[in-house]
Amino acid sequence: DVKVTQSSRYLVKRTGEKVFLECVQDMDHENMFWYRQDPGLGLRLIYFSYDVKMKEKGDIPEGYSVSREKKERFSLILESASTNQTSMYLCASRNQQNTEAFFGQGTRLTVV
Amino acid sequence: AQKITQTQPGMFVQEKEAVTLDCTYDTSDPSYGLFWYKQPSSGEMIFLIYQGSYDQQNATEGRYSLNFQKARKSANLVISASQLGDSAMYFCAMREGITGGGNKLTFGTGTQLKVEL
Repeated sequence: DVKVTQSSRYLVKRTGEKVFLECVQDMDHENMFWYRQDPGLGLRLIYFSYDVKMKEKGDIPEGYSVSREKKERFSLILESASTNQTSMYLCASRNQQNTEAFFGQGTRLTVV
Repeated sequence: AQKITQTQPGMFVQEKEAVTLDCTYDTSDPSYGLFWYKQPSSGEMIFLIYQGSYDQQNATEGRYSLNFQKARKSANLVISASQLGDSAMYFCAMREGITGGGNKLTFGTGTQLKVEL
């Protein structure tokens, strides 16, 4: 019954490392999203994609990039990880009718 | 300006009672959608219920119902017959714009619900 899968549940990386967070969905959804969640701030949108190779910046794109080479896969890239990117990262996908949106289990990233 | 406001950072409810979690939204778009999610301590976001701005009836899904008051721009979640397993963080979210791709979901800051015996 798995719908959206994130590659790692927990991740610890060093400052300056390049980090890849992978997300795969099996629902043939066009729209995919990356959020970060921090206490007291709720979920903030980093990037989203509405089609293969298409991407748009969300509210907090600085320090991040994304890649969508295949419909089912949406990757978040931290080019040079910093401690202020320590957070919970959530991937989501949504159907074209925009009536349902499912999340992955989240990746708790710690940058040391 | 906040697009989604959840004014209750925390709520307590007794088991088997009903509870209402508040959500107000702000948009000038005539077409929009409202979502509620549950996030248990394990971290996953569980989709609960959806209400479209043109839907005539309030959405219901099992013990969850959405009290949609369009003129007041509110979309409160009602959980009937609360269970211990309902203890979690609850988020309200809004999608603006016409049906199609590229419309992002904006989230509120959440309400932590604790169900007590």
